[in-house]
Amino acid sequence: GAVVSQHPSRVICKSGTSVKIECRSLDFQATTMFWYRQFPKQSLMLMATSNEGSKATYEQGVEKDKFLINHASLTLSTLTVTSAHPEDSSFYICSATRDRQARYTFGSGTRLTVV
Amino acid sequence: TQLLEQSPQFLSIQEGENLTVYCNSSSVFSSLQWYRQEPGEGPVLLVTVVTGGEVKKLKRLTFQFGDARKDSSLHITAAQPGDTGLYLCAPQGGGSEKLVFGKGTKLTVNP
Repeated sequence: GAVVSQHPSRVICKSGTSVKIECRSLDFQATTMFWYRQFPKQSLMLMATSNEGSKATYEQGVEKDKFLINHASLTLSTLTVTSAHPEDSSFYICSATRDRQARYTFGSGTRLTVV
Repeated sequence: TQLLEQSPQFLSIQEGENLTVYCNSSSVFSSLQWYRQEPGEGPVLLVTVVTGGEVKKLKRLTFQFGDARKDSSLHITAAQPGDTGLYLCAPQGGGSEKLVFGKGTKLTVNP
């Protein structure tokens, strides 16, 4: 059990457009979901924490108006990169937890390229 | 703010060699997790250590949690090319459920 599906796996978009990334917990209800970004040869950087039905909590330095997070249900969170620019090109990864037991399951990531 | 350091940042070794990577902090943690990430994939949990001084083994991987629960190490015996990846430590504590990673150790095992 404990599978997290992330979609799309790869996306290329034009500068100035918006891109939505979905993160779904397939076989459990996720009390909390997390969004990370990862640049080449670097570690994962936590962007925000989202709880179902409430506003996301963003880490310092992350623009909440640029990275819109919606956690509409216990199995789905979305990250929308608005007005994307080439510097937003990165690997975005989501993670979900259940039951606050420090069990984190990661999606397989989304490679975003902004041209 | 906790300061979390992983070392070495990069490690390139030959198949069959042993290695140790470290995760150190000035903070005390309630538990600590180790993950391995392969290129283009999400991290995969290897182990969770909870008790100070705890040692856990996963085949050729040995994980140790420091007595004071401020540091941890991962030792790999007879490394194989399949061990290649980014090894990440992620401590938990302070009542937060956020999972924040160290900078990671990029391991390359050459055949």
